[in-house]
Amino acid sequence: GAGVSQSPRYKVAKRGQDVALRCDPISGHVSLFWYQQALGQGPEFLTYFQNEAQLDKSGLPSDRFFAERPEGSVSTLKIQRTQQEDSAVYLCASSQREGPNTGELFFGEGSRLTVL
Amino acid sequence: AQSVSQHNHHVILSEAASLELGCNYSYGGTVNLFWYVQYPGQHLQLLLKYFSGDPLVKGIKGFEAEFIKSKFSFNLRKPSVQWSDTAEYFCAVNARGNTGKLIFGQGTTLQVKP
Repeated sequence: GAGVSQSPRYKVAKRGQDVALRCDPISGHVSLFWYQQALGQGPEFLTYFQNEAQLDKSGLPSDRFFAERPEGSVSTLKIQRTQQEDSAVYLCASSQREGPNTGELFFGEGSRLTVL
Repeated sequence: AQSVSQHNHHVILSEAASLELGCNYSYGGTVNLFWYVQYPGQHLQLLLKYFSGDPLVKGIKGFEAEFIKSKFSFNLRKPSVQWSDTAEYFCAVNARGNTGKLIFGQGTTLQVKP
């Protein structure tokens, strides 16, 4: 597709369940970012990939959060043993450039996670 | 640590009114600055950006922003808003030399009344 695609768009999980969120970046984009956006807040950085390498995971809130991008294209964000505070919209963004001047990020529509 | 502060959380204007949304950041080094917009039901998209050069940058749909380094500010302006400008606006900054990750402000919801 032409844009960043995320699935599922909506996910309801019971507390303690594991979830996996998928991101298909724009073809050929080197950089991929995951963000978490709580209700009424701006997106908060989770992690960054340059191709398949995870260069920055400083924003992951706990070791229950894990992200991968094994072939440098599709990425998966996994949350283990979900908690209510994990409820948020998870945004994926990609960019054709890398490093400090990544420039414009192209965002997906997000995956809204609700943990009951 | 870097942070971005947007002063207005919710702004209500009538069509044709002028708009200015405040944005301040805290970072002592060289930065790139962005404004993103999220229209209802849509994804975040870039409105404008500043990397270097002329501190007055123009973006899409008649928006502009001015970088004032001494004030650590990057305010967004539009002379005459339209109903279709109703959206949420996010200011963002990234520090040059890092991975390119953006730090976002908390956002400003703009409601334009027809």
